[in-house]
Amino acid sequence: GAVVSQHPSRVICKSGTSVKIECRSLDFQATTMFWYRQFPKKSLMLMATSNEGSKATYEQGVEKDKFLINHASLTLSTLTVTSAHPEDSSFYICSARDLMAGENTGELFFGEGSRLTVL
Amino acid sequence: GQNIDQPTEMTATEGAIVQINCTYQTSGFNGLFWYQQHAGEAPTFLSYNVLDGLEEKGRFSSFLSRSKGYSYLLLKELQMKDSASYLCAVLDSNYQLIWGAGTKLIIKP
Repeated sequence: GAVVSQHPSRVICKSGTSVKIECRSLDFQATTMFWYRQFPKKSLMLMATSNEGSKATYEQGVEKDKFLINHASLTLSTLTVTSAHPEDSSFYICSARDLMAGENTGELFFGEGSRLTVL
Repeated sequence: GQNIDQPTEMTATEGAIVQINCTYQTSGFNGLFWYQQHAGEAPTFLSYNVLDGLEEKGRFSSFLSRSKGYSYLLLKELQMKDSASYLCAVLDSNYQLIWGAGTKLIIKP
C-alpha cells in the first residue's frame, strides 16, 4: 500500500516555542491531506483538511493561527504548532488520499504520528 | 447529528473468535471503514464496505447492512498481537470520515 511518512515521531519542547511536523507521501501524490489530533483514550479528531496550493480548511473550534498548515506540494504538508503550551501536548497524525486511486475510494493512508510534549 | 456507536471495551481469549459491532447514523453514506490502532501508533486500514454483505480477508471479516445502519468486524483465531483498538468510521455524503470512539480489544492467554 501507499506510504505516508511523518516526522518527527516524538518532540519535547518548552512552552512558548513553535514546533513543525512534516507529513510526506512517499510513493504517491496527494492533493488532500488531513491532520488529526488524538487525546488519550479518545478517537481521532479532525483538525483540518489541507489542500495543495490553497488554504487549509479548519474544523470548528480549531485555531488556525495556532495550528498553521502549509501544503506546498503534492507530497508534503506541514503542521506548525505556534507558541505551544502544555495543553497542546497530544498525538498528532496526518493522513492522505492517493490521487490515482480517486477521491471517491476514501481510503486514507496514515503517517506514523507525532507525539508532542510541551513542558 | 451524526453518530457512530461501538462498545468501549471487549475481552476475548487467544484462539477464539470475537465480533465487534458498529451502528451508525450519518448524513449520507459512502462506505464504512474499519481501522486497527495499537497504543501510541497510527491507525492501519483493515477493511472497506460499501455494499451489503460480508467481506472476508484472512482472519478478519467485515459485514455491512446499510438498511440497518450496522456493521461488524469479525476476528478469528485471535492472537495476542490483535490486542488493539478497533475504529469504525463512515464516509458521509460530503466524503468526510466520521469516526467512532473505538473499541479496545483485550486478548487473554
